[in-house]
Amino acid sequence: DQQVKQNSPSLSVQEGRISILNCDYTNSMFDYFLWYKKYPAEGPTFLISISSIKDKNEDGRFTVFLNKSAKHLSLHIVPSQPGDSAVYFCAASVVGGADGLTFGKGTHLIIQP
Amino acid sequence: GAGVSQSPRYKVAKRGQDVALRCDPISGHVSLFWYQQALGQGPEFLTYFQNEAQLDKSGLPSDRFFAERPEGSVSTLKIQRTQQEDSAVYLCASSLAGEREKLFFGSGTQLSVL
Repeated sequence: DQQVKQNSPSLSVQEGRISILNCDYTNSMFDYFLWYKKYPAEGPTFLISISSIKDKNEDGRFTVFLNKSAKHLSLHIVPSQPGDSAVYFCAASVVGGADGLTFGKGTHLIIQP
Repeated sequence: GAGVSQSPRYKVAKRGQDVALRCDPISGHVSLFWYQQALGQGPEFLTYFQNEAQLDKSGLPSDRFFAERPEGSVSTLKIQRTQQEDSAVYLCASSLAGEREKLFFGSGTQLSVL
């Protein structure tokens, strides 16, 4: 049973446009959410996070939105750049919980020139 | 070193062999995690150490898997009597004390069991 779902295995966006990656979760105990970015043959790297007490967190070109009632979060990248092409993982945790991070399956973002 | 270092980078094992995967965390990081990533899936939690104490091993899939971190730094994940379903990338991550969520990952060990 997938507790964190990324329903789009891949997404293609033109350079300069906005990329929107979506993530849904089922466990209402999750209260901290993160996005990780992964290039081939490398480990995931932390990108941005959001606590459940917020509905938006912004860091440069990256913004994460959280809709708790819908159990949905999204990552917006604007403007998209070629170096953004990677696999993006959504992850969630219960702060102080015992089970580490729960990851989605990832979305492969391809930025077209 | 500057980042989390894992070795070997690739490991091919015959079914039934024992393997040992090593992780060197970032210096000063007290928390260390092991994750398993099967092809096409996201990383799945295996186990967590704080210094030398293994505080959570709920994700280890069977008693063939065990991990240790005897001096609170380097960690080893050992898999006994490997099976084909153990084929995956094994990721190690570390973090500062109290930072269980913002993890720094190594590049992983790709294990192939034939």
